[in-house]
Amino acid sequence: DVLMTQSPLSLPVTLGQPASISCRSSQSLVYSDGNTYLSWYQQRPGQSPRRLIYKVSNRESGVPDRFSGSGSGTDFTLKISRVEAEDVGVYYCMQGTHWPPGNTFGQGTKLEIK
Amino acid sequence: EVQLVESGGTWVKPGGSLRLSCVASGFTFTNAWMSWVRQAPGKGLEWVSRIKTKTEGGPTDYAAPVKGRFTILRDDSENTVYLQMNSLKTEDTAVYYCTTDFILRLGYFDLWGRGTLVSVSS
Repeated sequence: DVLMTQSPLSLPVTLGQPASISCRSSQSLVYSDGNTYLSWYQQRPGQSPRRLIYKVSNRESGVPDRFSGSGSGTDFTLKISRVEAEDVGVYYCMQGTHWPPGNTFGQGTKLEIK
Repeated sequence: EVQLVESGGTWVKPGGSLRLSCVASGFTFTNAWMSWVRQAPGKGLEWVSRIKTKTEGGPTDYAAPVKGRFTILRDDSENTVYLQMNSLKTEDTAVYYCTTDFILRLGYFDLWGRGTLVSVSS
């Protein structure tokens, strides 16, 4: 089964500074249709998750443009250009290319303000 | 209002059964892929199951830990998706979220409910 590995697991960041989260898959996430089904989710404390990015780099409607996704194959990155207080929470990558096992989340990266 | 509202979570003994419900509103439910995702206390997200649209034949998928024990169903006349959970184990204890991430003819669409807590213990 495909494994999703995030790093770091804890990310202290100063307000206004950039942040970067890495996600690596144990197998290529390129599907037979040419698309790469890698998404990023944010879960703020006490809230339900929400998707930020789908298919590597497409931002959901309403997501601030300080969030960006990049990568290919097995290596992916979520970047926040300037961290704001509302960005505190846990970030997950998720693959949707390999079925089975189905959608698979990474372990999560906890972003906090220094 | 565009929303998903889960219900049915409660305490149950190991080996017991439970059915969760999720009522959708504000979007074309019949065209939506519906999923359940769970989160054990203090842990990360775990995808559980997905059902596609009846137009596509309503195919279902399950995560390995729940396959054979859980069944996902949809009732398009009631805009509701269900998760029938049988042979429950203590490790099934979690908040269960209902979510959609794709709607036919619309595309990517992300919506989550607030979750319902299932507690399995003796």
